[in-house]
Amino acid sequence: DVKVTQSSRYLVKRTGEKVFLECVQDMDHENMFWYRQDPGLGLRLIYFSYDVKMKEKGDIPEGYSVSREKKERFSLILESASTNQTSMYLCASKRRYNSPLHFGNGTRLTVT
Amino acid sequence: AQSVTQLDSHVSVSEGTPVLLRCNYSSSYSPSLFWYVQHPNKGLQLLLKYTSAATLVKGINGFEAEFKKSETSFHLTKPSAHMSDAAEYFCVVSPLYSGAGSYQLTFGKGTKLSVIP
Repeated sequence: DVKVTQSSRYLVKRTGEKVFLECVQDMDHENMFWYRQDPGLGLRLIYFSYDVKMKEKGDIPEGYSVSREKKERFSLILESASTNQTSMYLCASKRRYNSPLHFGNGTRLTVT
Repeated sequence: AQSVTQLDSHVSVSEGTPVLLRCNYSSSYSPSLFWYVQHPNKGLQLLLKYTSAATLVKGINGFEAEFKKSETSFHLTKPSAHMSDAAEYFCVVSPLYSGAGSYQLTFGKGTKLSVIP
């Protein structure tokens, strides 16, 4: 079974802090994704990566950056956390083309 | 371009009665279609997928979905609801083949399923 592991289930940070959300997958998937999920807005894509060191902006990249130095690891970085980044963050991975996404359990981030 | 519409934001059924969660899609490409389930404070779990093989797709936990190209629909059904089925369900579309946008998946807004004892 594919396993996607997000390093933290719950995180509380202060406004202005630099925040790192880590995600690791164990199935050698080429593609990795970061989404945020908010009530009434559904899932929105922040960034995705289709190969090591390659990244593409999603629908809402502002205020975020990503890093993919190794195939199995995809990090989401909040350069200066703000209260409007309080959300559930979901990492996912997949093989190419018509294969399904596999999700981690999510990180619920609160910025105070 | 592609889009997904989940026709009901909330569905309520009695335990033991059938479940129907509706999903319509549009896509410029031949689509792959997926249904996911999300229990509270959890990630999304794949229920089933359609990728151009049989149009009637069976998934986990007794769920199934039928791809109807003429109706651009991919509705999720289950003959008999259990309490444990109470969750949020997402319909997802992506291009079937490689090419521009093949990494992009489009999610529906979700349908919350309540199961009444």
